[in-house]
Formats: sequence, structure tokens, C-alpha cells
Amino acid sequence: QKEVEQNSGPLSVPEGAIASLNCTYSDRGSQSFFWYRQYSGKSPELIMFIYSNGDKEDGRFTAQLNKASQYVSLLIRDSQPSDSATYLCAVNQVNDMRFGAGTRLTVKP
Amino acid sequence: DAEITQSPRHKITETGRQVTLACHQTWNHNNMFWYRQDLGHGLRLIHYSYGVQDTNKGEVSDGYSVSRSNTEDLPLTLESAASSQTSVYFCASSEGTADQPQHFGDGTRLSIL
Repeated sequence: QKEVEQNSGPLSVPEGAIASLNCTYSDRGSQSFFWYRQYSGKSPELIMFIYSNGDKEDGRFTAQLNKASQYVSLLIRDSQPSDSATYLCAVNQVNDMRFGAGTRLTVKP
Repeated sequence: DAEITQSPRHKITETGRQVTLACHQTWNHNNMFWYRQDLGHGLRLIHYSYGVQDTNKGEVSDGYSVSRSNTEDLPLTLESAASSQTSVYFCASSEGTADQPQHFGDGTRLSIL
């Protein structure tokens, strides 16, 4: 069974802290990895994508990929209340995009 | 601006009825996808298409069908609606190869009574 696993949370951090969201996947052949943010009642919106091992930074967001450990993470620096949402990890597995169930993040002022 | 539009946004119907959900994108993307989202399951792929006349089954395709007659549209049909198909349905599209980021529509909330 090809799966993408995320801690469902909820994850609560204070404003200004670093939020760390984690995702593991089972298919070693996976080549592309995505993080989406989904506000309640809204559609997923793309935050980051990463294809190579290592870190990729975009503003306050950093995606980290370790293919050997089959692990991808998203760090949010200087967390803001507006970052409160569910974060979905998605992994492309040979023409089949698989999503994790999401981690709910709450940033408290 | 290019966009992806789903209609209707909300629908209530009865078991056994045929239901069609519309998805229209103006990105000129070759790839289009239908997902359903349920609590505890995240997004699950129903059907996808990589171009006109191409359709493929996803993880949870039973009871659903799609057709792709042009680049812009991928309607999703529930042949005989069942209560288990009550869900939020999202359409998405992407350009180029299948591993590119997907852009999502606003979703359709479907209730089957």
C-alpha cells in the first residue's frame, strides 16, 4: 500500500515561533513532493514543492527532503495567526499524486 | 486571469440519481484531476486525464466516470448516487508532466440523502 503519513495534530505554536510539519512516504520511487495549505472550507493552495534532497527556502517557508529516510518536512518561521490552517503533504508516485490526511496548525497570538 | 471553476458549489440529491459535477479550467493545462475529501482521509484521487480523450482511474474510482472531449473541461459523473459518496469534491489541473504542482478549484459540497 503506497501511503503518505502525517501527524494529524493539532499542532499549536505561539506567534513568532517555528512550526515544524512532518510527512513520511512509503514509495521509494517518488520524485516530487508538495506542501499545500488549506483553510477551513477552502481549497488547497500550493505553498512549496521540492524535487531534490536538501532544503528549499521561500520566504518564511522551508521545505526539507530526505529521500533516503523517505521524509519531507515544512518549517514555518516567525509563525503568524494567519498561518493557522491544515497543511497537506502530497507525493507524486508514478502518475499518481497521493495526499496525506493533513496536519492542523494553530498559531496562538 | 486563468482559473479553474467548479459548479455547482453545493448540491443536495437523492440516492440512485445521476449527478454530474462540472470542472472548467482556462489555464490550458493538459492534466486534470478529480479528488474527494473526507475527514480522516485527506484528498483521494477519483479519476484523472492527461489530455483530450484520455481518462484514467484513480484510487477510488468505483461509481464515478469522467470524459474529456476538450482541453478545458472534465465533468465528473456519479452514475447512481450513494450516501457513501457524500463528500467535498475538488477538481485540479496541472501543466506539463504529471509531477507538476496542481491548481485546485473551489470545490463542490455534495450531499446525498
